[in-house]
Amino acid sequence: AQLVESGGGVVQPGGSLTLSCAASGFSFVAYGMHWVRQAPGKGLEWVAFIRSDGTIKYYADSVKGRFTISRDNSKNMVYLQMGNLRVEDTAVYYCANFYGEQVYAEFFQLWGQGTLVTVSS
Amino acid sequence: EIVMTQSPDTLSVSPGERATLSCRASQSVNSNLAWYQQRPGQGPRLLIYGASTRATGVPARFSGSGSGTEFTLTISHLQSEDFAVYYCHQYHYWPPWTFGQGTKVEIK
Repeated sequence: AQLVESGGGVVQPGGSLTLSCAASGFSFVAYGMHWVRQAPGKGLEWVAFIRSDGTIKYYADSVKGRFTISRDNSKNMVYLQMGNLRVEDTAVYYCANFYGEQVYAEFFQLWGQGTLVTVSS
Repeated sequence: EIVMTQSPDTLSVSPGERATLSCRASQSVNSNLAWYQQRPGQGPRLLIYGASTRATGVPARFSGSGSGTEFTLTISHLQSEDFAVYYCHQYHYWPPWTFGQGTKVEIK
């Protein structure tokens, strides 16, 4: 099982960027998906969640109204559309979920390698 | 929102010694607490879940304890690969899913 993020890069403040996460090796349609970020030299911050069927979405207050999470179960993909980006959104963005050896887990077991987003003028 | 606070921020330990890391929750999370290890340039790796259960493949020198609001991660006989940053994470009440700010275990 693996998660592979892509789409990171450098963007100006106020700009937009879309991250992608490709899932493989597990039943994607059965799992909710999360984005978690880590600013340079800082800790982990949960960003967004989407339920397995896409009907429920949650966001951190810090990104609510600016970021949108979505998924395409036919392609085993999850996305994070980021708008009105701020300098403080600069971070490595990880795709993550609860899939792993512990069935019915409610904690993160599977993580991607991350993709770096830099917001700078 | 449940706030997780780890202490200390940095722990200096000699190889072969024991490291004791603490994590406090702002309200009870029962035993819904996990610990992760993160090495430089890598994503987090699950070590402990349910406050005290080691994940598959995690060496026995890692142990977790606690419940409610106070938790401890103990690493006995530190080895070179154990020098990293450790995060606690509560999954009792969400959203949001929250993490501690991390404890860096460095070589003394």
